[in-house]
Amino acid sequence: EPEVTQTPSHQVTQMGQEVILRCVPISNHLYFYWYRQILGQKVEFLVSFYNNEISEKSEIFDDQFSVERPDGSNFTLKIRSTKLEDSAMYFCASRRTSGSYEQYFGPGTRLTVT
Amino acid sequence: QQQVKQSPQSLIVQKGGIPIINCAYENTAFDYFPWYQQFPGKGPALLIAIRPDVSEKKEGRFTISFNKSAKQFSLHIMDSQPGDSATYFCAARISGNTPLVFGKGTRLSVIA
Repeated sequence: EPEVTQTPSHQVTQMGQEVILRCVPISNHLYFYWYRQILGQKVEFLVSFYNNEISEKSEIFDDQFSVERPDGSNFTLKIRSTKLEDSAMYFCASRRTSGSYEQYFGPGTRLTVT
Repeated sequence: QQQVKQSPQSLIVQKGGIPIINCAYENTAFDYFPWYQQFPGKGPALLIAIRPDVSEKKEGRFTISFNKSAKQFSLHIMDSQPGDSATYFCAARISGNTPLVFGKGTRLSVIA
């Protein structure tokens, strides 16, 4: 069964450094999302992406964040200058078309900012 | 108005029991209500979902009950097993390409 994959599974970085989190959505999916989950808290929406542009973004997704689909398979989240409070699990999700509501989540990348 | 309120925060049941997790929402524009199951260190996995035009949906041991007038929906797990021990999140979404709004999660422990 196809699944969303994410790399790395765990990233440790120093405050102020740039990180890139990578996702490979399910191959025939057209809508892509990033969510984050701070330890013990609920899953929060960051950004959605369709047709090579951002569809919607939350207040969390400020100028430090950017997303890109550099090729036909990868979807990346970049944090330019990480802060301690960026430490969280970051989940990529994808879904097929406007007629399908199901979002499928990847296993996540645990980002630890020290 | 975008919130989804979930309760209880944690739940312990005996094997074979029927845990019930409740969610409430305010935004009547929500039209899709999924439940996700999350094991430690893993991403949320879609368990079951319902649209507001039906009052109940059953898939295996999992049932969603939906009360549109009360703006509430709940997850029931029949004959619960220790393998069902996980965190369960309810969510909601407005139609189109809008993001999911998640509840705060319920940590379920099923003890043998």
